[in-house]
Amino acid sequence: GAGVSQSPSNKVTEKGKDVELRCDPISGHTALYWYRQSLGQGLEFLIYFQGNSAPDKSGLPSDRFSAERTGGSVSTLTIQRTQQEDSAVYLCASSLDIVAYEQYFGPGTRLTVT
Amino acid sequence: ELKVEQNPLFLSMQEGKNYTIYCNYSTTSDRLYWYRQDPGKSLESLFVLLSNGAVKQEGRLMASLDTKARLSTLHITAAVHDLSATYFCAVARANQAGTALIFGKGTTLSVSS
Repeated sequence: GAGVSQSPSNKVTEKGKDVELRCDPISGHTALYWYRQSLGQGLEFLIYFQGNSAPDKSGLPSDRFSAERTGGSVSTLTIQRTQQEDSAVYLCASSLDIVAYEQYFGPGTRLTVT
Repeated sequence: ELKVEQNPLFLSMQEGKNYTIYCNYSTTSDRLYWYRQDPGKSLESLFVLLSNGAVKQEGRLMASLDTKARLSTLHITAAVHDLSATYFCAVARANQAGTALIFGKGTTLSVSS
């Protein structure tokens, strides 16, 4: 079946602009995770959803970052007033539920802030 | 705070040789993951280790877990060029609903003939 999909695959934006990154999890997966991969910080957990609620937002680096999930499916990660340090690959993963072992990763969105 | 350390960070291997990547973590966890990442690609799941003494093997890769030592190893047998990639270990945060993964910095493996 279809895997996790993310869009756009690449995004170039100017410093100070807002961006939205989208994640479509595997159908039927109730848990959804956002991670960020950058050269300086490696792979970092940002936030996870169970259904439409986000019990753990501990990894969001600042209040410029927010995420929502609607209908227990698609999730959007929004970064306001982007800064150059936000440049990274943003990865989304999903799992069957919050106790399932496997997390399946999407291809990522490469964000470049100029 | 859970921290995960991998070593080495870079590994240059000759084809046919054996080597081991080490993953240490700082606090108790009930699951450990190994992922592979090719350049420009996403993460591919290799192994999930769930208990002390767990050993899993796939082809030339074998992973093991010692929860008492908080140590996992990824052993590579008779390396081939196709194994060139970056390998990450990740540990699940314990005692929390949801399985946020904390990743090591990755080991970049280069296999040459």
